[in-house]
Amino acid sequence: EAQLVESGGGLVKPGGSLRLSCAASGFTVSNAWVTWVRQAPGKGLEWVGRIRPKADGGTTDYAAPVKGRFTISRDDSENTVYLQMNSLKTEDTALYYCTTGASWGQGTLVTVSS
Amino acid sequence: QAVVTQEPSLTVSPGGTVTLTCDSSTGAVTSGHYPSWFQQKPGQAPRTLIYDTSKKYSWTPARFSGSLLGGKAALTLSGAQPEDEAEYYCLLSDSGGRVFGGGTKLTVL
Repeated sequence: EAQLVESGGGLVKPGGSLRLSCAASGFTVSNAWVTWVRQAPGKGLEWVGRIRPKADGGTTDYAAPVKGRFTISRDDSENTVYLQMNSLKTEDTALYYCTTGASWGQGTLVTVSS
Repeated sequence: QAVVTQEPSLTVSPGGTVTLTCDSSTGAVTSGHYPSWFQQKPGQAPRTLIYDTSKKYSWTPARFSGSLLGGKAALTLSGAQPEDEAEYYCLLSDSGGRVFGGGTKLTVL
């Protein structure tokens, strides 16, 4: 059974950085489209970005609000996808999920506050 | 970037039928937008119900179906159950990425 577990969330000051991890089991991340989605407290879902399977070039796409600040990468040896978040803003405060479409993690909370 | 619009809230009676829609500011929604639908209950992660307009996962209850209707993506629930009360989100492909709708709060009452 495919499972995803996010980690790495926490409290960070505006302008700071954080790296989230999405550890996969039951499937190989290099063969999957993996997407990051966030949800601000009390708000709806927001698409953050995705990484394509290795066979499709492993390239990435990002939503406009995070482009140039966030980077998605993958470590095949760890079977893990990462979300590197730089220049964080208060509006990046949210619960961050990773998903393959079929499977979702439980999310990790990022709070950006001084 | 497209703005994706859903009904903010809908109410359906138990056993009744309701259709949720998903509209794009850039024009008619087509199969090329690869519409997906997600269910989220309070305190839980989302769950994917429908992908690629109308495809279901093994866990998708048969009472849910996806389609294109009048230039929009649609999620129809036939025979609503109390456990279907939840927030529903659609997701459309747009300009190399994806965009979520604002969500529909569905009440079964």
